[in-house]
Amino acid sequence: KAGVTQTPRYLIKTRGQQVTLSCSPISGHRSVSWYQQTPGQGLQFLFEYFSETQRNKGNFPGRFSGRQFSNSRSEMNVSTLELGDSALYLCASSPGTGRSTQYFGPGTRLTVL
Amino acid sequence: DQQVKQNSPSLSVQEGRISILNCDYTNSMFDYFLWYKKYPAEGPTFLISISSIKDKNEDGRFTVFLNKSAKHLSLHIVPSQPGDSAVYFCAAVRLDSSYKLIFGSGTRLLVRP
Repeated sequence: KAGVTQTPRYLIKTRGQQVTLSCSPISGHRSVSWYQQTPGQGLQFLFEYFSETQRNKGNFPGRFSGRQFSNSRSEMNVSTLELGDSALYLCASSPGTGRSTQYFGPGTRLTVL
Repeated sequence: DQQVKQNSPSLSVQEGRISILNCDYTNSMFDYFLWYKKYPAEGPTFLISISSIKDKNEDGRFTVFLNKSAKHLSLHIVPSQPGDSAVYFCAAVRLDSSYKLIFGSGTRLLVRP
């Protein structure tokens, strides 16, 4: 099976712009979670989608949003970018039921100038 | 409130010897725990997990031990290999919180040839 794919891998934006990141989960997986990794805060949970519904949300401002499509692909959007949004954004996929393991994609490195 | 802690930021071990990575948690409601290995600019790679009802799980060179009374888990790598050099994260999940992984801050392992 193909792994989790994320596009783009690298992105440079300026403050105030908005950005959309994409994640394609492992085939058959219905849950997609998003995480932000920064040197100061480590790996932090953003939100999780299961069957097109947001099941859980982390402690991030409303500028961070996401959605999931019927084929389980997910997008994450960040509006009005701030310098502090520079981070590695990771997507993880899992079957979404029981004690299922999350498998991560390679991430999107976002730099905000 | 840091619910999952990895108090050792780094660990250096000779090739062939045992590497022991530690993790402490504060929330007794966690249902299972996972270890991930991460290289720079890549997504975390799943290594091994353990349910809260078990005290040991083994997979090849990797063994995870769980001490619920002490709220402590450890990952043993035997024998250690130079390719094991990476950052190791422990993570915990509560199944009633969907699939939100709570990560520790990571331990950088260096295996010296």
